[in-house]
Amino acid sequence: EDKVVQSPLSLVVHEGDTVTLNCSYEVTNFRSLLWYKQEKKAPTFLFMLTSSGIEKKSGRLSSILDKKELSSILNITATQTGDSAIYLCAVEMYNFNKFYFGSGTKLNVKP
Amino acid sequence: DTEVTQTPKHLVMGMTNKKSLKCEQHMGHRAMYWYKQKAKKPPELMFVYSYEKLSINESVPSRFSPECPNSSLLNLHLHALQPEDSALYLCASSQDRGQQYQPQHFGDGTRLSIL
Repeated sequence: EDKVVQSPLSLVVHEGDTVTLNCSYEVTNFRSLLWYKQEKKAPTFLFMLTSSGIEKKSGRLSSILDKKELSSILNITATQTGDSAIYLCAVEMYNFNKFYFGSGTKLNVKP
Repeated sequence: DTEVTQTPKHLVMGMTNKKSLKCEQHMGHRAMYWYKQKAKKPPELMFVYSYEKLSINESVPSRFSPECPNSSLLNLHLHALQPEDSALYLCASSQDRGQQYQPQHFGDGTRLSIL
């Protein structure tokens, strides 16, 4: 059975801390892994990862995929209260327009 | 604001009503999706349209009926819904899967309440 597991489920940190969010997957015909940030409305796209070992960066956020370990991490450095959100990991299956979402990690950054 | 537009933003309906959710994108994407998201849960895939044809139906009850009139529009027709169908309904679109990797873009969703 295909599945995507995120950890931790929730996390409380203080501004300035660095956090690491995890996503592991077991799917047939893996094509790509995506990270999204969801606040009150639609998930907003952060990263799409297709190749193992290549880090993608956007400001204080970075992410990397490990196809051998079937996992990915999302790092956020120097966290700010605006980073408070649910971070969703989704895995896309090859040859299908099909995306499986993990349960998400709820991040709360306190001032 | 997102590039995927969903209307209405909120909808309250009775169990005997018939209503429709609408989704529109003008990014030239050829795959469009409907997701259902309950509170504190991740989005669950319902339907996928690829080149205006239904390619995936994740065993969704027939009281939900999708329609893709053209490459820019996606509808979800609702009839005889149950209270447990109350949720945020998200539409998304993405580029042709046969081409370069492209992520999904989500609309802001329609928050549906069934009385």
